[in-house]
Amino acid sequence: QKEVEQNSGPLSVPEGAIASLNCTYSDRGSQSFFWYRQYSGKSPELIMSIYSNGDKEDGRFTAQLNKASQYVSLLIRDSQPSDSATYLCAVMENDYKLSFGAGTTVTVRA
Amino acid sequence: IAGITQAPTSQILAAGRRMTLRCTQDMRHNAMYWYRQDLGLGLRLIHYSNTAGTTGKGEVPDGYSVSRANTDDFPLTLASAVPSQTSVYFCASSDVGGGNEQFFGPGTRLTVL
Repeated sequence: QKEVEQNSGPLSVPEGAIASLNCTYSDRGSQSFFWYRQYSGKSPELIMSIYSNGDKEDGRFTAQLNKASQYVSLLIRDSQPSDSATYLCAVMENDYKLSFGAGTTVTVRA
Repeated sequence: IAGITQAPTSQILAAGRRMTLRCTQDMRHNAMYWYRQDLGLGLRLIHYSNTAGTTGKGEVPDGYSVSRANTDDFPLTLASAVPSQTSVYFCASSDVGGGNEQFFGPGTRLTVL
């Protein structure tokens, strides 16, 4: 059973703080990892993809991958109210299908 | 504007009726996917197609069928709708082998009474 687990939310952070989101996966053969942002009533929007161990930065977002620990995380620096959304971790196995975590809802307090 | 379109946006359907959800992409992606999203259960893959002419079953395929006659279109059919198929349905596409990033359509909210 392929599983993707995310830390349970909701996560509430003050404006300007760092939001830290965690995700673990069960399939050691997984190759590609993604973070999606989903606003209420909208479709998932891809914000980060990461394929190799280490950090990947894009603006205020940093994805971190550790394949040995089967762990991927997303940091949101200088959190803004517009970052309030549900963040979905997705893991791709060799068959190009994505498995999604249940999501972590983030609320940024002004 | 390149992207994925889905129709209808929302639909209320009587149980037992047949319904086809439409999905069209203009990014020339070779792979397309159908997901359903339910509160507490997250996104679950229904069916997928890695290339035109081929389809495969996902995690929750029962009660659904798909076809992929060409690159752009990937309709999802509910032959005889049941209330448990009430959900939000998302179509997605990706360029398999080119990063494999999946991009989602706006979704269809379906209610089966």
